[in-house]
Amino acid sequence: DGGITQSPKYLFRKEGQNVTLSCEQNLNHDAMYWYRQDPGQGLRLIYYSQIVNDFQKGDIAEGYSVSREKKESFPLTVTSAQKNPTAFYLCASSNGQGRSNEQFFGPGTRLTVL
Amino acid sequence: QKEVEQNSGPLSVPEGAIASLNCTYSDRVSQSFFWYRQYSGKSPELIMSIYSNGDKEDGRFTAQLNKASQYVSLLIRDSQPSDSATYLCAVNIKASTLTFGKGTMLLVSP
Repeated sequence: DGGITQSPKYLFRKEGQNVTLSCEQNLNHDAMYWYRQDPGQGLRLIYYSQIVNDFQKGDIAEGYSVSREKKESFPLTVTSAQKNPTAFYLCASSNGQGRSNEQFFGPGTRLTVL
Repeated sequence: QKEVEQNSGPLSVPEGAIASLNCTYSDRVSQSFFWYRQYSGKSPELIMSIYSNGDKEDGRFTAQLNKASQYVSLLIRDSQPSDSATYLCAVNIKASTLTFGKGTMLLVSP
C-alpha cells in the first residue's frame, strides 16, 4: 500500500523536553511538508523540503527543526524553545512536478504538553 | 489582508440539497487551487484540484474557478450526512507551497 505514515498517533511531552515526530512516505514523492493545526484554525506551514538534504523554513519555523537524509523520511523535532507546542501535527508529501502541487497527508500526530 | 479566506460556517443544508462553499484569495498570480475535506479529528483528504478558469466536475463535486474575481468555489450536489465535515481551500500562493484557509464547516441534516 502506498501512503504516508506518521508516528506516534498521540504524544505527551513534559515542558522542557524535545520530542521527534516521525513521517515516512513510500509514494516516491520528492517534496515533503510539516504543518501545524490548532483548534478552529487552518494549517500553518512549519518546514518543507523539496529534495534530499535540503529544506526551507515555513511561516512558523521557530522552535522546530527538521532533517531530510532520505527521500522517504522527514522527521520533525519540537524543541523546548517552542512556546505553545500542543497541537495537531500533519505531514504531507507531493511529487512537486510542474504546476501541480497536490499534497497528500498522513494521519497526523496529536502532541500534548503536560 | 488574509491570503486565503473562507466563511467559517457552519453551513447547514438538508440532505439532497446543493452545498456551496466559497473561497477568496489575495494573490492574482496563483495558479493551483485545491479543496480538502477534513473530518473531525482526522487529517485532510484531497477531493478536488483546479488550475484553469471554469468548472471541473468529479462525481457529486464541482469546483469553479474565477481568476479575475479571485475566487474558487466547491459545489456538492445531492448532499449526504456523510459529507458533514470541514472543507479547506488551499491555494498555491508561494512557490512550491500551499496556503490554506481556515475552513468552512458543513452540516448536512437527514
